[in-house]
Formats: sequence, C-alpha cells, structure tokens
Amino acid sequence: QVQLQESGPGLVKPSQTLSLTCTVSGGSVNSGGYYWSWIRQHPGKGLEWIGYIYYSGDTWYNPSLKSRVAISTDTSKNQFSLRLNSVTAADTAVYYCARVSTTGTTLNGFDVWGQGTMVTVSS
Amino acid sequence: DIQMTQSPSSLSASVGDRVTITCRASQSISRYLNWYQQKPGEAPKLLIYGASTLQTGVPLGFSGSGSGTDFTLTITSLQPEDFGTYWCQQSYSVPWTFGQGTTVEIK
Repeated sequence: QVQLQESGPGLVKPSQTLSLTCTVSGGSVNSGGYYWSWIRQHPGKGLEWIGYIYYSGDTWYNPSLKSRVAISTDTSKNQFSLRLNSVTAADTAVYYCARVSTTGTTLNGFDVWGQGTMVTVSS
Repeated sequence: DIQMTQSPSSLSASVGDRVTITCRASQSISRYLNWYQQKPGEAPKLLIYGASTLQTGVPLGFSGSGSGTDFTLTITSLQPEDFGTYWCQQSYSVPWTFGQGTTVEIK
C-alpha cells in the first residue's frame, strides 16, 4: 500500500522560496510506471495541477507556474520535492503530492494522494 | 489550456436518489477524463479514470460515461457517505485541468 506524506514549512515570507517534500512509503519513486505530482488547492477553491516528474527525471510543469517551479526526486530518500520561488500571497494554498498511475503509455488519474499541507505566504 | 466545466455547481438529493453530474471539455479529450470525490478536510479520492473505469475499491454504485467533450458521473443510489465535492479532471494534455467542482449535499 503506497502512502505519501508531505512535509515542509507552513509559513513562507513573500518573495522567498516555498520548498516541500513528499516521502513515499510502500513504493519507489525510482520505479517506472508512475509519475509523481504536485497539486494545490487555494482555500475554498478548486484544484490546480502544478507539475509532475517521471523516474527518468523528465518533468512537465503548468505553464502558469513554469518560470518559478521545479520538481525533483531524491531516490536515496525515496522522496520527491517541490520548489516554488518568488512566492506571493496568491501562492497560499493546501499543497498535495500525488501519484499518477499509467496503463502502457496512458497516464491515468491521481490514484494516491498525500493528506495535504497548508502553506501560507505572509510576512 | 483545456477548460473543464461542471454542472451543476451544487445539488441536494435524498438517500436512494440517482444523481448525475456532467463535465464538458472545451475541446475533445477522447476518454482522458477522471473523476474524484473530496470530503471536507481530506484529499481528493480517485473514483473513475479513462472516463468509465472504476478505480479499485470504489463502490459499484458509481459509474462514468462519455467521450470527446461530454462526460457524466452517475451515482445510481445516493448513500449518506456520498456527500462531498466531485471534480472532473482531464489528462489529455498538459496542463492537466480540473472542473470547478460539484458539491453534493444529502437532504
């Protein structure tokens, strides 16, 4: 049973970098067949896909955030991470890490989610 | 970006009712459509992927249909535990996008 757990600061100052880590248990970020993703949800609002990474290191990002975002993996710790720089109050949200399953070359939905972590951007 | 539009935005129904939520894409997405259920304070849960494939462990009372631009999530007989917000999401092209959500309330 794969489980995901987000960790990182709950408060970030404007213009600084938001850094979150997702620890994977019961599975490996280094195995093919899965993509590892970040999604966020502004308070009381909808869901926004941030990006995902494959075990090969290939990444795909939402163009709306592409200039500020980076997703990476740390196979030694079985983790993947999100960095979002130059944050503003508009980046205040619950951040989820999630796994994308595949069937052949088809990417299916986000089948495993972390519980989410609230990040507030404020001075 | 592909825009996903859900309707209704909210509904109230009784236990045992048949509930239908629709999702429309701004362009054809074949069958690359997924449905999620989210309860307050929790992460979303995948219900259906590929427009109609039930995720393992999801009750058979949930079903999905559609292709191209129009999709439907049906709850055959609403149960008390089915309250929450339902989201559609396209996985046809990056950036993946979600609908605005449909909140289901039990009368």
